[in-house]
Amino acid sequence: GENVEQHPSTLSVQEGDSAVIKCTYSDSASNYFPWYKQELGKGPQLIIDIRSNVGEKKDQRIAVTLNKTAKHFSLHITETQPEDSAVYFCAASLSGTASKLTFGTGTRLQVTL
Amino acid sequence: DGGITQSPKYLFRKEGQNVTLSCEQNLNHDAMYWYRQDPGQGLRLIYYSQIVNDFQKGDIAEGYSVSREKKESFPLTVTSAQKNPTAFYLCASSRPGGTEAFFGQGTRLTVV
Repeated sequence: GENVEQHPSTLSVQEGDSAVIKCTYSDSASNYFPWYKQELGKGPQLIIDIRSNVGEKKDQRIAVTLNKTAKHFSLHITETQPEDSAVYFCAASLSGTASKLTFGTGTRLQVTL
Repeated sequence: DGGITQSPKYLFRKEGQNVTLSCEQNLNHDAMYWYRQDPGQGLRLIYYSQIVNDFQKGDIAEGYSVSREKKESFPLTVTSAQKNPTAFYLCASSRPGGTEAFFGQGTRLTVV
């Protein structure tokens, strides 16, 4: 089955700096890659996603890049703010949908003042 | 407001007892999922259901059981056969063919 590795496990940045979280996947047939943000005491929430036929996608301060050849994808957050502090999960899907997502192990991002 | 409701938020049980976690959604989604979250291990799929009266095992189904008698409800039973039941359990739902999974706020189960 699919296996997703995520790094780093924790990340501390100063407010205004950029943050990058990286994931690799094992199954080249995976075709959909979402990112979820989990705030303390809440369930994860989708923040951005990318399909395998796209190399990059941007939504305001967040962007995701995908390298299909290397089987890795990354989340980029620019101009970080304290409210960006949360746990971020990458995931991969073989079905192209939210069905049977394989999640990474999560990155705890701390944005300090 | 539409969403997914998990109850209770915290649950304590004695070892050897079965316990059922509730998950209700009013989003009219056909698909529902149960994930287990452990520190440093991300979210792992326990069971999923694409339609009423049908469900499939996920990656870590041993020691768990589910039912899907109604579209809006997908309860998870943690049985005494589950060796390490203490964890944070998340329920989610999605539209057929949808790309976004909507999660509840989770139930933290502690078995003592």
